[in-house]
Amino acid sequence: DTEVTQTPKHLVMGMTNKKSLKCEQHMGHRAMYWYKQKAKKPPELMFVYSYEKLSINESVPSRFSPECPNSSLLNLHLHALQPEDSALYLCASSHVRTDNSPLHFGNGTRLTVT
Amino acid sequence: AQKITQTQPGMFVQEKEAVTLDCTYDTSDPSYGLFWYKQPSSGEMIFLIYQGSYDQQNATEGRYSLNFQKARKSANLVISASQLGDSAMYFCAQGDSSNTGKLIFGQGTTLQVKP
Repeated sequence: DTEVTQTPKHLVMGMTNKKSLKCEQHMGHRAMYWYKQKAKKPPELMFVYSYEKLSINESVPSRFSPECPNSSLLNLHLHALQPEDSALYLCASSHVRTDNSPLHFGNGTRLTVT
Repeated sequence: AQKITQTQPGMFVQEKEAVTLDCTYDTSDPSYGLFWYKQPSSGEMIFLIYQGSYDQQNATEGRYSLNFQKARKSANLVISASQLGDSAMYFCAQGDSSNTGKLIFGQGTTLQVKP
């Protein structure tokens, strides 16, 4: 079983909906990430939180809004998404240094925007 | 800029045989880590093995080993005694010492194990 838990596993939403993806880890990691992955492609980094502060935003559109309420939780708020935003959204956590610390991923949320 | 290259889009291997998945990297960082992940069709990214740039020995984890050739900037994954459950997409990735938290992924290799 993965130590990073993501909910929901699947989500279908219309372009006018507001929804949230949730991620939780209890490994004591102080870095948390959101990645977006299209089929047959590598994950693409969206956001990095380090010590509960947003440290990287990879020029992600504002219809995606991350939130890190505490060191164990990471949310991704979704609003007015487009069909091309349909993808697998992966949450991950790690120690802050990644030259010697692997990212631990959750099972992902498969998002479909209709 | 850092770059990870996986030149094999797809690979086939017979069950119980060994297979090597290629990965080359390009970095000027003196300290870096190399990682391999497995992604089955279910979607979960599973961490397999890690190699540090200063490690003297090749990493091994069960049936997985890493053929690390620093001068050639390659970090190939070797899977011994392939099993049907090894069929998945495999990603090579590199972390860096800049504390940005970024992980650079290669394009991936799809491995199919034949019975």
